Amino acid sequence: EAGVAQSPRYKIIEKRQSVAFWCNPISGHATLYWYQQILGQGPKLLIQFQNNGVVDDSQLPKDRFSAERLKGVDSTLKIQPAKLEDSAVYLCASSSPPGHRTDTQYFGPGTRLTVL
Amino acid sequence: KQEVTQIPAALSVPEGENLVLNCSFTDSAIYNLQWFRQDPGKGLTSLLLIQSSQREQTSGRLNASLDKSSGRSTLYIAASQPGDSATYLCAVTSGTYKYIFGTGTRLKVLA
Repeated sequence: EAGVAQSPRYKIIEKRQSVAFWCNPISGHATLYWYQQILGQGPKLLIQFQNNGVVDDSQLPKDRFSAERLKGVDSTLKIQPAKLEDSAVYLCASSSPPGHRTDTQYFGPGTRLTVL
Repeated sequence: KQEVTQIPAALSVPEGENLVLNCSFTDSAIYNLQWFRQDPGKGLTSLLLIQSSQREQTSGRLNASLDKSSGRSTLYIAASQPGDSATYLCAVTSGTYKYIFGTGTRLKVLA
């Protein structure tokens, strides 16, 4: 079974530029998560999707971050404009059965973003 | 607000040693607790998942325990090997089923 795919793996941009990350979850997983992991810290949930809908985006900086889940499968996370403090690894995860509290989340390899 | 703390932040041990990693959380109303491993430049791999009604889980050389009342979990690694070198993260699920992670323990096992 294929795992969670993410692209790009690395991205370097200058502050105030825009950037987008893509995630393809495990086939059949209805729940998709985006996490931000700053160096030396644990991952922090940015947004959680259940199919097309948003379950939790309480920690998403909505003035600059946006996310969508296309047709309940792939997802894109965008930052516009980027700040220096956005430098981090962005992890995508998916889980099944949908949103059940006993789920195990499966993580992609992450995208490492550096903002100069 | 749930907070998860892991001690120690870093650990270096010789090969063959048994070791214990600690995780503590402030709100005992959790659904489950999970231990993950993270290798440099890679995503997270689930090691053990303990439901709130369980006390421990075992997988190979790994044993994780959970004491909800005291807000603690330990991950025991027996007979450590250089291949165990990684960052170990614990996460609790509560509220809207989202994971709240600790800051991790960076483990280095010396050959």
